[in-house]
Amino acid sequence: NAGVTQTPKFRILKIGQSMTLQCTQDMNHNYMYWYRQDPGMGLKLIYYSVGAGITDKGEVPNGYNVSRSTTEDFPLRLELAAPSQTSVYFCASSYNYYGYTFGSGTRLTVV
Amino acid sequence: DQQVKQNSPSLSVQEGRISILNCDYTNSMFDYFLWYKKYPAEGPTFLISISSIKDKNEDGRFTVFLNKSAKHLSLHIVPSQPGDSAVYFCAANTRGGADGLTFGKGTHLIIQP
Repeated sequence: NAGVTQTPKFRILKIGQSMTLQCTQDMNHNYMYWYRQDPGMGLKLIYYSVGAGITDKGEVPNGYNVSRSTTEDFPLRLELAAPSQTSVYFCASSYNYYGYTFGSGTRLTVV
Repeated sequence: DQQVKQNSPSLSVQEGRISILNCDYTNSMFDYFLWYKKYPAEGPTFLISISSIKDKNEDGRFTVFLNKSAKHLSLHIVPSQPGDSAVYFCAANTRGGADGLTFGKGTHLIIQP
């Protein structure tokens, strides 16, 4: 039982490059979320999805895009990477509004 | 504006003693509260939760207390063990809120031998 799988675990990007952070869950959860955690800060919501084909913005969506074509996958796209996007990114899924299962995170550095 | 506040960035407690982690919130619409535990290089894991209709919830060594009038909750760990050393996040959600949990900044709990 893999739970929530995030790839890659680490990545260094140059300013202006783009990349996709992958997130897959095998628990058939409808709800999925992307958070970012900056040093000494709590987790801030980037985007969320309540089901396949439905996505919405969270607190800090600028510079990111998402899609949800299947129940299992919820990739996060960074276009034109900036140093301010240096952070640890966590994907989570849940069967209700509360019972989140988190992935182990992607540590991204933009230089 | 922070809606969930954890004012202690770190807390050091001796092994075997009680650890008390505090959390305050400002949004009166929050009706469900959770604590997550996070080890380095791992994702947060769910620890314990409480609904606004209760004032206490207990699970083994972990107890969460909710004081709605003060908009304050606390997590008690008794007795504290070395494996409890981690960052603890307080989180909250509104009734029917599928739009994500709101997290505090976290408290780094260090259990001293």
